[in-house]
Amino acid sequence: KQEVTQIPAALSVPEGENLVLNCSFTDSAIYNLQWFRQDPGKGLTSLLLIQSSQREQTSGRLNASLDKSSGRSTLYIAASQPGDSATYLCAVKGTGNQFYFGTGTSLTVIP
Amino acid sequence: GAGVSQTPSNKVTEKGKYVELRCDPISGHTALYWYRQSLGQGPEFLIYFQGTGAADDSGLPNDRFFAVRPEGSVSTLKIQRTERGDSAVYLCASSPGRDQRGYGYTFGSGTRLTV
Repeated sequence: KQEVTQIPAALSVPEGENLVLNCSFTDSAIYNLQWFRQDPGKGLTSLLLIQSSQREQTSGRLNASLDKSSGRSTLYIAASQPGDSATYLCAVKGTGNQFYFGTGTSLTVIP
Repeated sequence: GAGVSQTPSNKVTEKGKYVELRCDPISGHTALYWYRQSLGQGPEFLIYFQGTGAADDSGLPNDRFFAVRPEGSVSTLKIQRTERGDSAVYLCASSPGRDQRGYGYTFGSGTRLTV
């Protein structure tokens, strides 16, 4: 079974800093990886989807990279803002029908 | 619809009661998923529909849980004889296409179930 780990579990940074969230997975036979954002008491908002053949995806201040062979992905957030405060979840899809999720990184950006 | 819609947003019930949770996926999306998220955890897979049929129900925890999608659009997750351990946020997601390998998910806002 695929195991997904996210480090750190929580992160607090001052506004304006660049930061990196990490995701690792145990089975490198994946089709894609998706990063989500979850605000307290809310559902999941998709941020970026990376196919297994891709190395990275960018959207605005967000950049996600994928190193399938080493089982790692990073989400880079540039010039962080208080509105970025949320939990960030990484999810991996392999040969089965489901995404496997990590437990998330809780990000707080301090004004 | 424009997004995945889940109703109700909150459901409080008593131990032993029956509940139904509804999911209305994005129009045209053939794949529909139910996940369950406990406090402080990532979502865990329950069941996957392709069209009207349950293609994979391996995540359903026991036979108290059942889901249907009779017309290939709206789905209902049914929980019988609810227990306190069923308390969680139930999330629904949909995805286009029959070949699921390349697609990501669009999630609804979830139903918070409290038993």
